[in-house]
Amino acid sequence: GENVEQHPSTLSVQEGDSAVIKCTYSDSASNYFPWYKQELGKRPQLIIDIRSNVGEKKDQRIAVTLNKTAKHFSLHITETQPEDSAVYFCAASRWAEYGNKLVFGAGTILRVKS
Amino acid sequence: NAGVMQNPRHLVRRRGQEARLRCSPMKGHSHVYWYRQLPEEGLKFMVYLQKENIIDESGMPKERFSAEFPKEGPSILRIQQVVRGDSAAYFCASSPIDSNYGYTFGSGTRLTVV
Repeated sequence: GENVEQHPSTLSVQEGDSAVIKCTYSDSASNYFPWYKQELGKRPQLIIDIRSNVGEKKDQRIAVTLNKTAKHFSLHITETQPEDSAVYFCAASRWAEYGNKLVFGAGTILRVKS
Repeated sequence: NAGVMQNPRHLVRRRGQEARLRCSPMKGHSHVYWYRQLPEEGLKFMVYLQKENIIDESGMPKERFSAEFPKEGPSILRIQQVVRGDSAAYFCASSPIDSNYGYTFGSGTRLTVV
C-alpha cells in the first residue's frame, strides 16, 4: 500500500522567512496530493492540493510542487506570519479509483517566531 | 450549507464501555470517511462508506470496531469494550460521488477512556 514520509517533523522560522515541507510517496499510481493545516484542538483544513497532471500550483503565499518521477511533493509558504504556526500534513491518494482514501504523512510542526 | 457535523465533540468512557460516534455528512454527500488521530500523531484511515455499504475497511481494527452508514441518518462509528489505547480524536469527512475537490473534515470527536 501507499506510504507517505514527511520532513522535517518540526520547523522553526522567523516571521517573514519562507518555510518548506517535503513529502515522498511510494505508490506511483497516486494522483492526488492535498495539504492540510491543523491548529491545536481543531480539525484539519485543506489549504492546497495538486493533481498529478500538473507540476506546480500556487495560491497567494502558498505553493505546492510535484515531481512525479522522484515521487515527492513539497509545500512552500512564503512571507510566513505567526498565524501560519500549526501542524501541516501532506497526503496522497489514488483519486476516484479507491474513493479517495488519503494516506497522511506524520505531520510537521511549524513555528513562526515574531 | 452546514459542514460535516460530528457529535459528541467530547466523549468520556470507562474501560469496557461502548462508544458511539456520529457523523452527518454535508448535504448531498454520499461518501463518508473515518480517520483516527492519536495524540501528537498523524491521521490514520479507518473506513470508507457509502450509503448502506462499506467500501474499504482496511484501516479498521479487526475486533471491537464497526461502522455503518444507513440509508437514513448519520454514519456511526462504534467501539465496543473500549480500552485506554482507544483514546484519540476521531475525524469524519465526506465527499460527493464525483467530486474533483478534496474532502472536508468535521470537528472531530475526542474520545477519552478512563
